[in-house]
Amino acid sequence: NAGVTQTPKFQVLKTGQSMTLQCAQDMNHEYMSWYRQDPGMGLRLIHYSVGAGITDQGEVPNGYNVSRSTTEDFPLRLLSAAPSQTSVYFCASTENTGELFFGEGSRLTVL
Amino acid sequence: GNSVTQMEGPVTLSEEAFLTINCTYTATGYPSLFWYVQYPGEGLQLLLKATKADDKGSNKGFEATYRKETTSFHLEKGSVQVSDSAVYFCALRNSGNTPLVFGKGTRLSVIA
Repeated sequence: NAGVTQTPKFQVLKTGQSMTLQCAQDMNHEYMSWYRQDPGMGLRLIHYSVGAGITDQGEVPNGYNVSRSTTEDFPLRLLSAAPSQTSVYFCASTENTGELFFGEGSRLTVL
Repeated sequence: GNSVTQMEGPVTLSEEAFLTINCTYTATGYPSLFWYVQYPGEGLQLLLKATKADDKGSNKGFEATYRKETTSFHLEKGSVQVSDSAVYFCALRNSGNTPLVFGKGTRLSVIA
């Protein structure tokens, strides 16, 4: 089983550029979410979705957009990258049991 | 609001030592509690969980007991191995489709 797949694994951007981090899951999970992980800060929730067509903001949503047009996909868009968005990004999904299944992460560097 | 506080690391232990990582929580209602582990270069994966008071979660020699009276969910292992070196995250979730709330993580290094 593929589980949760994130692409790309590594990306370097210049300040002001835009990009999309892709996330796909093949477990038919309704709930999907995006976290960022920074040293000393743990995991912080950016956006989440409880089903296709429904999204909500987490703790740190500014500078990020999401959409959920299908159950499988939950892309995260950076509209105008800033150095403060340098981080490791994780996508996760669950079938509402509380056990989150995580992707392997996407390491983003903004210069 | 809901929050999780866990002991700061890093924690360095010798192989076969006893491990405790403290975790306390603040929550409304009756949350489910989790420990996740992140090995180097990987995403997080569920280690164990407990869904109600006095439940004990266990996996791979790790244990944690849901203590409502002390709002705690401390992680323990009797004899750690080098392969247990990782970052450990305590987390909670209230009912329904609410997001998990994570602690800041505790890095464990086990030396031979």
